Amino acid sequence: GENVEQHPSTLSVQEGDSAVIKCTYSDSASNYFPWYKQELGKGPQLIIDIRSNVGEKKDQRIAVTLNKTAKHFSLHITETQPEDSAVYFCAASGTGNQFYFGTGTSLTVIP
Amino acid sequence: GAVVSQHPSWVICKSGTSVKIECRSLDFQATTMFWYRQFPKQSLMLMATSNEGSKATYEQGVEKDKFLINHASLTLSTLTVTSAHPEDSSFYICSASGVRQPQHFGDGTRLSIL
Repeated sequence: GENVEQHPSTLSVQEGDSAVIKCTYSDSASNYFPWYKQELGKGPQLIIDIRSNVGEKKDQRIAVTLNKTAKHFSLHITETQPEDSAVYFCAASGTGNQFYFGTGTSLTVIP
Repeated sequence: GAVVSQHPSWVICKSGTSVKIECRSLDFQATTMFWYRQFPKQSLMLMATSNEGSKATYEQGVEKDKFLINHASLTLSTLTVTSAHPEDSSFYICSASGVRQPQHFGDGTRLSIL
């Protein structure tokens, strides 16, 4: 089955700096890669996603890149703000509906 | 965006009680719903997958008689934790997906068994 690894597990950045979270996956059949933000006591919220026919996608301060050959994808947050502090999860999905989640990255943006 | 509503958000009950958690997709038809369990500072652990009108598929190690799942309509799935014990205390999260809809998560239910 699919195995998704996520790094780093914790990340602290100064407000205004960029944050990068990286994930790798093992199943070459995976073709959909969403990123979720989870705030304390809440469920994960989809913030951006990318499909395997695209190499990069951007939405304001958030971007995701995908390297299918190397089987890794990354989340980039620019101009970080304190409200970006949360736990971020990557996931990979293939032909079925099931998502395989990374272990999460706790991001702290220091004002 | 798509909204998934989960209720209740927090429940505290005595050991031996059965607890029902509801998950509703409010603005799309959820052909598939997922139930996850999340321990503090850990990732989401998939418990079961349910398709509307059929029996749920449980992940290995999840007791189907303990965690009863019903997905009777395209907008509602329920998880019942039967005869709950303190070790069942956790954060339970549902998600729903549909045609051209990725998984959207509810806000979770914090279950505390005394």
